Amino acid sequence: GENVEQHPSTLSVQEGDSAVIKCTYSDSASNYFPWYKQELGKRPQLIIDIRSNVGEKKDQRIAVTLNKTAKHFSLHITETQPEDSAVYFCAASKGTGTASKLTFGTGTRLQVTL
Amino acid sequence: DGGITQSPKYLFRKEGQNVTLSCEQNLNHDAMYWYRQDPGQGLRLIYYSQIVNDFQKGDIAEGYSVSREKKESFPLTVTSAQKNPTAFYLCASSGTSGSIEQFFGPGTRLTVL
Repeated sequence: GENVEQHPSTLSVQEGDSAVIKCTYSDSASNYFPWYKQELGKRPQLIIDIRSNVGEKKDQRIAVTLNKTAKHFSLHITETQPEDSAVYFCAASKGTGTASKLTFGTGTRLQVTL
Repeated sequence: DGGITQSPKYLFRKEGQNVTLSCEQNLNHDAMYWYRQDPGQGLRLIYYSQIVNDFQKGDIAEGYSVSREKKESFPLTVTSAQKNPTAFYLCASSGTSGSIEQFFGPGTRLTVL
């Protein structure tokens, strides 16, 4: 089955700096790659996703890049703010049919310091 | 966010007892999922259902059971066969028509005493 590895496990940046989180996946058939943000004790919320027919996607301060050949994808957050502090999870899925079985990475705890 | 509800928010059980976690959605989604989250780990899939009266095992189904009698509801039973049931349980759902984004419920924190 699919295996997703995520690095780093913790990341501390100063406010205004950029943060980058990287994930690799094992199944070349995976075609859907979402990123979730989870605040302490809360539910995960989708912040951005990318499909395998696209190499990069941006939404304001957040961007995701995908390298299908190397089977890795990354989350980029620019101009970080204290409210960006949370745990971020990457995931991969084949996205077939009406149900997409997501395989998650182990998460990155991002702390944005003042 | 408000389209998926889980109850209760906190649940305590004694060893050897079965317990059922509730998950309801009003998003008219066909697919529903149960995940388990442990500290320092990502979410792991327990069971998922694509349509009513059908469900499939995920990666860690042992010691769990589900039913899908209604489109809106996908309850999870944690049985006494689950060796380490203390965890945060998250339910999710996703729609059709090409949209596979999963929306999560607020979660149930289960503690075995």
